[in-house]
Amino acid sequence: EVQLVESGGGLVKPGGSLRLSCAASGFTFNTYDMHWVRQAPGKGLEWVSSISHSSTSIYYADSVKGRFTISRDNAKNSLYLQMNNLRVEDTAVYYCAREFVEVLPAATYTDLDYWGQGTLVTVSS
Amino acid sequence: DIQMTQSPSSLSASVGDRVTITCRASQSISTYLNWYQQKPGKAPKLLIYAASTLQSGVPSRFSGSGSGTDFTLTISSLQPEDFAIYHCQQSYSTSLTFGGGTKVEIK
Repeated sequence: EVQLVESGGGLVKPGGSLRLSCAASGFTFNTYDMHWVRQAPGKGLEWVSSISHSSTSIYYADSVKGRFTISRDNAKNSLYLQMNNLRVEDTAVYYCAREFVEVLPAATYTDLDYWGQGTLVTVSS
Repeated sequence: DIQMTQSPSSLSASVGDRVTITCRASQSISTYLNWYQQKPGKAPKLLIYAASTLQSGVPSRFSGSGSGTDFTLTISSLQPEDFAIYHCQQSYSTSLTFGGGTKVEIK
């Protein structure tokens, strides 16, 4: 059974730092690209960052670029998000999600087929 | 970035109703469009990928259509367990973007 379990959330003051972790199990972690997606209270989903299976390709949303760093340790089946210089607007539930590649006759597509339960990050003074 | 706009932002419907949710992309994304269902306090669940392909295990009352910039999610006969928030998401760009969500409430 595929499982993604986030941890590391909590209350932090503006300008502070946090490191989120996502422990993966039930699948071959080192063959999947992974993502972080967040959801502010009462708001929609916002993609944060992604990392390829071998860490060679990394992407960030403009809203976090230069402040957040995504990484992974395939030996530990773990995904991380280092968040620095946190802002009040970074308050959200942070989800890790697995990217799945769907091969159809017309083309190859990707989606986020498994998600963790989320970890809450609150940035407040 | 590609902007995704969903409408309506919320709707009220009764069990058995046919429900349609619309998602519009700010540029053509072919059929690189996914739909997710999210219940309160839970993570999103993948319903449909590639605009119209049902994820395994998802009931056949859900369907998706569209290509280019305009897409729809249809629930043919709303069931009690379908009351939730629905999100569209484009996978055309490496910078993923989601719509604002549509909350389906009980009338």
